[in-house]
Amino acid sequence: DAGVTQSPTHLIKTRGQQVTLRCSPKSGHDTVSWYQQALGQGPQFIFQYYEEEERQRGNFPDRFSGHQFPNYSSELNVNALLLGDSALYLCASSFIGYGYTFGSGTRLTVV
Amino acid sequence: GQQVMQIPQYQHVQEGEDFTTYCNSSTTLSNIQWYKQRPGGHPVFLIQLVKSGEVKKQKRLTFQFGEAKKNSSLHITATQTTDVGTYFCAGIGNQGGKLIFGQGTELSVKP
Repeated sequence: DAGVTQSPTHLIKTRGQQVTLRCSPKSGHDTVSWYQQALGQGPQFIFQYYEEEERQRGNFPDRFSGHQFPNYSSELNVNALLLGDSALYLCASSFIGYGYTFGSGTRLTVV
Repeated sequence: GQQVMQIPQYQHVQEGEDFTTYCNSSTTLSNIQWYKQRPGGHPVFLIQLVKSGEVKKQKRLTFQFGEAKKNSSLHITATQTTDVGTYFCAGIGNQGGKLIFGQGTELSVKP
């Protein structure tokens, strides 16, 4: 049984560009959450999707947007990239009442 | 907004010594979860606590949830080199929704 799959694993982008990260949740999970983790820090909550709707959002600017598809997979889009957006982006899937399963993450470097 | 704080930030122990990390929330939590992240890895779910005063054990690991549901602790007895990593607590507030992570406690174990 596959866990959470994220793609790509690594990405290098230039300031001002746009990026799309993808996530396939664990089988049976219907909720997807996205986190940003800077080096040496805890994961910071970006937003959560359930039934194709953004259910919760953290303190991130509108440059960060997302989508959830009918098969529960999800995308994270970041526009107008800044150097400070360089981080590990983690996708986590869950089913209500249970712990989160994290993917291995996408390492984004903005130059 | 909801904040989760963890102490200490770092803990260096000799193999065989005990280890404890503490977690405090600014608001009452509906549940608290603990995760372990190995160096270069992603967070892995360890356990979830939902009841006031709850204590759960997993082999050498003991987890507690405070009576007021605002604090928690993780205690490892007789640490081993395989315990190395960063331990995160993460809580969901009473209004539900987003899982907020603490900053983590990085554990190193000297053989």
